[in-house]
Amino acid sequence: TQLLEQSPQFLSIQEGENLTVYCNSSSVFSSLQWYRQEPGEGPVLLVTVVTGGEVKKLKRLTFQFGDARKDSSLHITAAQPGDTGLYLCAGAYTGGFKTIFGAGTRLFVKA
Amino acid sequence: EAQVTQNPRYLITVTGKKLTVTCSQNMNHEYMSWYRQDPGLGLRQIYYSMNVEVTDKGDVPEGYKVSRKEKRNFPLILESPSPNQTSLYFCASRLSLAYYNEQFFGPGTRLTVL
Repeated sequence: TQLLEQSPQFLSIQEGENLTVYCNSSSVFSSLQWYRQEPGEGPVLLVTVVTGGEVKKLKRLTFQFGDARKDSSLHITAAQPGDTGLYLCAGAYTGGFKTIFGAGTRLFVKA
Repeated sequence: EAQVTQNPRYLITVTGKKLTVTCSQNMNHEYMSWYRQDPGLGLRQIYYSMNVEVTDKGDVPEGYKVSRKEKRNFPLILESPSPNQTSLYFCASRLSLAYYNEQFFGPGTRLTVL
């Protein structure tokens, strides 16, 4: 079974702090997505990365895809209470038929 | 409004009583998928469909069936539910498998099997 390991599982920080979430696998992915999920809702796509070494920025969020396309990270600068939620990474293999998800990182940002 | 809808949103049932969770999308998407979400395990893919009449197993297909008779609908069928199928279920769709096509998720169906 292919695995996508996310760390940390839980993160509780103060408003204004920085944080990084990691997503690691022994498998090579053709693309990797990061999602955010709020209680009672389905995941919502934040970004897709496809090229090894790629860095994408979305306001205060920075996403990086590892050179070997096996790992990724999400860095949030100056976290705000509105960033609170469950962050999920998901990897797709060549062909894209199947997607595997990490277990998620539950982030809580205190005001 | 472009969306994926699921029904019911909540369901409590008993072991062995057949049930169907419906999923519909209004975006003319080719690819649809079902996932279950369990604490500590993330989302696991149950079944997916490339197009009408084309379906295949995901990572956890045991105990589930699907059908894709129309492009917009992709129901999930539990012929004989068991307590280990208690979970939060999500249907998702995307235009195609091209990486730049976003996958849209429904709001989820919380199923409890007693």
